[in-house]
Amino acid sequence: DGGITQSPKYLFRKEGQNVTLSCEQNLNHDAMYWYRQDPGQGLRLIYYSQIVNDFQKGDIAEGYSVSREKKESFPLTVTSAQKNPTAFYLCASSLRHLGSQPQHFGDGTRLSIL
Amino acid sequence: AQKVTQAQTEISVVEKEDVTLDCVYETRDTTYYLFWYKQPPSGELVFLIRRNSFDEQNEISGRYSWNFQKSTSSFNFTITASQVVDSAVYFCARPSITGGGNKLTFGTGTQLKVEL
Repeated sequence: DGGITQSPKYLFRKEGQNVTLSCEQNLNHDAMYWYRQDPGQGLRLIYYSQIVNDFQKGDIAEGYSVSREKKESFPLTVTSAQKNPTAFYLCASSLRHLGSQPQHFGDGTRLSIL
Repeated sequence: AQKVTQAQTEISVVEKEDVTLDCVYETRDTTYYLFWYKQPPSGELVFLIRRNSFDEQNEISGRYSWNFQKSTSSFNFTITASQVVDSAVYFCARPSITGGGNKLTFGTGTQLKVEL
């Protein structure tokens, strides 16, 4: 089945540690996105990638980094510079980076601080 | 950023009641799209509907219907004869055309609880 796979489902970070969240899609979509969701809030865009080897900052990119070396993969690293990383992280993809294209989401990764 | 407002934080209904979720958006664009997503307790967002600004016809899909009114910048979502499985958080969203084609701006969501 085509879809987006995020792993792990739950992740714990120690102070000063970088952690990487995985996102893989087999939908053959060009564009991929990372969102952060805090309780009672909507989703906020961290980074997005329109095509392989390209990515752009979203609204809350500080303390995060990404790479897009393969079309199907868009991992997100939460660095130690992100002082409040506890949140639910959602990865999404769309066929193209166009406003007409619906985004399809993974099941999310819940990150907590130890 | 052009905002999306979902003023209803939480709605509780009894099964079989009809319920309407409100969405009001800001726009300076003449052409734009709007989306509704459902987030069940499991966490993933499920795409429900896409609407473009050229089409003001209301849309019905089973128990779901959407009322798009450009004059009031609203895109409301109605569930008819609600069921317990409809319990979820529902998000209205629109992409930002300015500066990037598909950067979604989400409302804060409406938590719908359907009880027996």
